[in-house]
Amino acid sequence: ETGVTQTPRHLVMGMTNKKSLKCEQHLGHNAMYWYKQSAKKPLELMFVYNFKEQTENNSVPSRFSPECPNSSHLFLHLHTLQPEDSALYLCASSQDGQRGQPQHFGDGTRLSIL
Amino acid sequence: QKEVEQDPGPLSVPEGAIVSLNCTYSNSAFQYFMWYRQYSRKGPELLMYTYSSGNKEDGRFTAQVDKSSKYISLFIRDSQPSDSATYLCAMSEGDTGKLIFGQGTTLQVKP
Repeated sequence: ETGVTQTPRHLVMGMTNKKSLKCEQHLGHNAMYWYKQSAKKPLELMFVYNFKEQTENNSVPSRFSPECPNSSHLFLHLHTLQPEDSALYLCASSQDGQRGQPQHFGDGTRLSIL
Repeated sequence: QKEVEQDPGPLSVPEGAIVSLNCTYSNSAFQYFMWYRQYSRKGPELLMYTYSSGNKEDGRFTAQVDKSSKYISLFIRDSQPSDSATYLCAMSEGDTGKLIFGQGTTLQVKP
């Protein structure tokens, strides 16, 4: 496999459910990112991990909990979500998060909250 | 004021037209500029990457950066229906890896 792979591609969950999104990158990168993409809005950076350490939390509600067990894998644990959390969640990676490096994206998980 | 402004469109052009997509920004510290293309139901794909001012050409695509005007452009020559997508501009300061994105412009190229 190549690039950045996200699973599942689609997820429908109730407000009381707990689920997890998974991201895996095969590019040998050391920085990984979670973004939220909503209609008519720019991509919103949620979390940044650099060499497995969280370096940015962009004021994300605690109902979103990231986990980065190694440089190739990133998870986003979800619990007690709200309808406004319905969006496309994108994972990205870059070489080492330094000096304006381009980021490479997966195809996202389309999340719908009932 | 948003850090990065991008007209969301939609922009509709006939096949073969020259397309001009633009972004303006307010942060003079931005040094790295990128254009991403996003097809429906797919993630953004890096299209062009430039550092500081100047032009960069890759096939039918040309990226221009004018730091004095805080304005970047992407030109698509001989546009094709396969170019129909949303185009996102993104930029970064020199000392971080954080990217700031525009809202994206939706382009439709009609056969």
